[in-house]
Amino acid sequence: GQNIDQPTEMTATEGAIVQINCTYQTSGFNGLFWYQQHAGEAPTFLSYNVLDGLEEKGRFSSFLSRSKGYSYLLLKELQMKDSASYLCAVRDSNYQLIWGAGTKLIIKP
Amino acid sequence: GAVVSQHPSRVICKSGTSVKIECRSLDFQATTMFWYRQFPKQSLMLMATSNEGSKATYEQGVEKDKFLINHASLTLSTLTVTSAHPEDSSFYICSARGVRGTGNQPQHFGDGTRLSIL
Repeated sequence: GQNIDQPTEMTATEGAIVQINCTYQTSGFNGLFWYQQHAGEAPTFLSYNVLDGLEEKGRFSSFLSRSKGYSYLLLKELQMKDSASYLCAVRDSNYQLIWGAGTKLIIKP
Repeated sequence: GAVVSQHPSRVICKSGTSVKIECRSLDFQATTMFWYRQFPKQSLMLMATSNEGSKATYEQGVEKDKFLINHASLTLSTLTVTSAHPEDSSFYICSARGVRGTGNQPQHFGDGTRLSIL
């Protein structure tokens, strides 16, 4: 079966750095996405990786290793507004998105 | 960037009422639209996938006759919750994807519809 694993919850301090990991086992691979979802709101797109390596976008970076079925989202200079759930999703061979359960990130002052 | 508009944002109605939710892609042609449901503190649950001009594909456990999906054009899909009951109360989110091709084609989400059935 298809499976996306990410930690349920993480806590970090304002101004610090946090890394949210995601491992996946899917039928085919056509890219990995990270989304941010604030409570009560719809997800918003953060990043996309299809090749191995690091993609940097401001304070957020995302890494992919296809051979290991592994990705991480790195958030730097954490702000209180970064408190949200972070969803990892993999697009399979049918171009369907397989969603992880999300990681709830709690930022403390 | 790509925008998906979803209406209404909130619905409160009596049990037995049918509710229609609209999802529009504003600046791109959405060949595929997805309907999700999300209960509090839970992950997104895909309900169905609809391709323009064809019947929707429903996920296991989702009642086709209860959740009617119409994707009549490349910019509009609708979800109708028929004879809604309190257990149908949830956050419904639509998502749209453009023409499949190379490169980055993320799904773009509407703002969601919070449905409360009394």
